[in-house]
Amino acid sequence: QSVLTQPPSVSAAPGQKVTISCSGSSSNIANNYVSWYQQLPRTAPKLLIYENNKRPSGIPDRFSGSKSGASATLGITGLQTGDEADYYCGTWDNSLSVVVFGGGTKLTVL
Amino acid sequence: QMHLQESGPGLVKPSETLSLSCTVSGGPITSSGYYWGWIRQSPGKGLEWIGSMYYSGSTYYNPSLKSRVTISVDRSKNQFSLKLSSVTAADTALFYCARHAWSTYCSSTGCHPTGFFDPWGQGTLVTVSS
Repeated sequence: QSVLTQPPSVSAAPGQKVTISCSGSSSNIANNYVSWYQQLPRTAPKLLIYENNKRPSGIPDRFSGSKSGASATLGITGLQTGDEADYYCGTWDNSLSVVVFGGGTKLTVL
Repeated sequence: QMHLQESGPGLVKPSETLSLSCTVSGGPITSSGYYWGWIRQSPGKGLEWIGSMYYSGSTYYNPSLKSRVTISVDRSKNQFSLKLSSVTAADTALFYCARHAWSTYCSSTGCHPTGFFDPWGQGTLVTVSS
């Protein structure tokens, strides 16, 4: 059972938009920054979003992040088949004193 | 461009100590503001943070693993290492090393560590089996 809750799977058609939620609590998301990672099949995770809504250099603006209260959201527009991957949110839990990750969401581009 | 590469045995016997190294290229391990971390992923499962260390020695460990984990840094080799003792089959996982950008987040509830992992190594599979 992960401290951060993500939907196990989401799906959408190519060209459409999808959002992935990450729900936490006052001891983590509500009082800390959230990062998002993309893990393509059989590869290492890759940073997509940091500090809630910042994109590292090289990450297209089709990817966006937001946070409201104890929840964070990753948005992906203009879906491509190459976006099929597992997506993880992560943050620091102030009570547990540990980095926590969501359980991951598998994105299928139909 | 920074690159991280894990190395170490792919098979460890139960009750023994798992030892992995991560070689950093493209930048010094002594860079200010960056910790160096280990994350694992059990087969078919999600990500679990093991711990992170600053080059000067400051360490943060996952409390659930703290009694069995040691992370160390070798500045001369631009490497950092992980030791996980008394392993069992439950420790079988893909182990990733990553640079851990570390800072402080302050809110009404106080100031706490914050950060993110970038870049990541490609990962190395360690199986615990006799």
